[in-house]
Amino acid sequence: AQSVAQPEDQVNVAEGNPLTVKCTYSVSGNPYLFWYVQYPNRGLQFLLKYITGDNLVKGSYGFEAEFNKSQTSFHLKKPSALVSDSALYFCAVRDGGATNKLIFGTGTLLAVQP
Amino acid sequence: EPEVTQTPSHQVTQMGQEVILRCVPISNHLYFYWYRQILGQKVEFLVSFYNNEISEKSEIFDDQFSVERPDGSNFTLKIRSTKLEDSAMYFCASSGSGVGEQFFGPGTRLTVL
Repeated sequence: AQSVAQPEDQVNVAEGNPLTVKCTYSVSGNPYLFWYVQYPNRGLQFLLKYITGDNLVKGSYGFEAEFNKSQTSFHLKKPSALVSDSALYFCAVRDGGATNKLIFGTGTLLAVQP
Repeated sequence: EPEVTQTPSHQVTQMGQEVILRCVPISNHLYFYWYRQILGQKVEFLVSFYNNEISEKSEIFDDQFSVERPDGSNFTLKIRSTKLEDSAMYFCASSGSGVGEQFFGPGTRLTVL
């Protein structure tokens, strides 16, 4: 069965420092991986995806993520955090070829302190 | 930039009543989805819809739920007889392909009293 784990409920980082939000996944086929961000009282906003190709993918607002097949991970990163990055981040996986549905992790709250 | 819209933003209903949640997907998208997020929990898949029929549904999507695309622009989720446990944020999403990213609407908060 497909699953996604986000091991940290909350990540705290100082503005200007690099940030990492962790995600690991489990699928039976090829993984299609996504990151979404949710601001308070708003919907899910797409950040980036990995389908195939380069393991390092770049997305919106300076975020990037690295696909690591051997570790079944897809961690979200940003070199320099902004206070405005504070939000809830969701990792999601689709079991490529088998289904279109996204399976979401439990979310990680990113708090960037000024 | 095109976006998915949903109405209403908040719906309050009595247990046992029927509700219809409405969504307008991005205009050239072909795949449509409903997800829900119970307060404090993760986002859960309900149903996917393509070519005017359900392509996949979860165990949550029982006989009380139905989806419809009544015209070329709207995509609706109907709950026939609401239960307290149906209280959640319901998100509509659409995608241009089965492979690509899904774009989510702002959600409808359903409160069942």
